[in-house]
Amino acid sequence: NAGVMQNPRHLVRRRGQEARLRCSPMKGHSHVYWYRQLPEEGLKFMVYLQKENIIDESGMPKERFSAEFPKEGPSILRIQQVVRGDSAAYFCASVAGANTEAFFGQGTRLTVV
Amino acid sequence: AQTVTQSQPEMSVQEAETVTLSCTYDTSESNYYLFWYKQPPSRQMILVIRQEAYKQQNATENRFSVNFQKAAKSFSLKISDSQLGDTAMYFCAFMAMYSGGGADGLTFGKGTHLIIQP
Repeated sequence: NAGVMQNPRHLVRRRGQEARLRCSPMKGHSHVYWYRQLPEEGLKFMVYLQKENIIDESGMPKERFSAEFPKEGPSILRIQQVVRGDSAAYFCASVAGANTEAFFGQGTRLTVV
Repeated sequence: AQTVTQSQPEMSVQEAETVTLSCTYDTSESNYYLFWYKQPPSRQMILVIRQEAYKQQNATENRFSVNFQKAAKSFSLKISDSQLGDTAMYFCAFMAMYSGGGADGLTFGKGTHLIIQP
């Protein structure tokens, strides 16, 4: 849905660099999901955030990955010291909070070289 | 935990034919939503159709319809009069709705790559 904005659309990083992926949810939405789509696999849940609060991060790798959703500004998914296996499409989805479907952004394609 | 299974990694049909994509799920929840999302080469995820579990009537959106069999935990997508623009990955997804009105995250199947041949 065009209302959820992700940037950049494409991101190339060398191994060991940091990657920052941004997601601006739809207006009025205060909850954000991050998903990762690895090649040959379906979408995998990573983290569920509310503004200033991490609700569920059970899908996040324990190391190098972090996410935040500050009171002001977009949600950020940060990957430190990227490795080739981090290459994937990362999708953000926003929901109003309850009883609604998720609206997805266009995704960020991360390529680690 | 919920699981969603799409048993057809890839399907190919001729333009104008009807195609059915299968999806089964496993859950102990009684109140939930089911979705079909389309992911064209642009990578954007587009909601195709959704079904509330408490509704017995199958959802329909133009050429897209579902066959929702709650007892069998089956949620197949039928595309009628298929068009070249229907070529995409299709993901089946499940979202549980809890008694307090809160929603759990989406659980996706692995996807089916649908190819419409001219």
